[in-house]
Amino acid sequence: GAVVSQHPSWVICKSGTSVKIECRSLDFQATTMFWYRQFPKQSLMLMATSNEGSKATYEQGVEKDKFLINHASLTLSTLTVTSAHPEDSSFYICSALPPRGHGSDTQYFGPGTRLTVL
Amino acid sequence: RKEVEQDPGPFNVPEGATVAFNCTYSNSASQSFFWYRQDCRKEPKLLMSVYSSGNEDGRFTAQLNRASQYISLLIRDSKLSDSATYLCVVKGRNYGQNFVFGPGTRLSVLP
Repeated sequence: GAVVSQHPSWVICKSGTSVKIECRSLDFQATTMFWYRQFPKQSLMLMATSNEGSKATYEQGVEKDKFLINHASLTLSTLTVTSAHPEDSSFYICSALPPRGHGSDTQYFGPGTRLTVL
Repeated sequence: RKEVEQDPGPFNVPEGATVAFNCTYSNSASQSFFWYRQDCRKEPKLLMSVYSSGNEDGRFTAQLNRASQYISLLIRDSKLSDSATYLCVVKGRNYGQNFVFGPGTRLSVLP
């Protein structure tokens, strides 16, 4: 199956710092990538939809100035958590959507990034 | 009301048991349905898509009832390795629409 990577797999940072998470689709070009967040014992919640070459679409309640998304190429989307606080500690997962006609209409998930803000 | 709801769980069953998970969705425009499994601290992995006629993959059987907006997953002869959280996922008609995840049902298969 398709492969999506994320980097880093885990990060610990101090409150107030910014953290960048990368999501790469390794064997297909993804015009659309999705960013999810998962708190302990909860399900995945969509944060934003990232479209190559255009601004991301954020879900209600997600601050676009705090969670900066850049989808500068067809294989890379980045999520930057700016001025991170302990309540931002979570499991961040990206997914990539293959081009129409590539196969099934499904998403391929990255392995996730566990962020801990002290 | 949440868009996708699942049995709250957790389910604790002995090895070899048959277990069924239920899921309901509220958006009648939903067109694609999936079951994912998620292991602790890992990303979700596709278990199977769910088709209108129902489908089976080894010990796993998925059913869809569009009229009732209900999806089920049956696991037969459960194994220790089946222990995970099972996520019901629905998607709209249009290509590229995001997935909507249910809250998940935790399964523990006990020796």
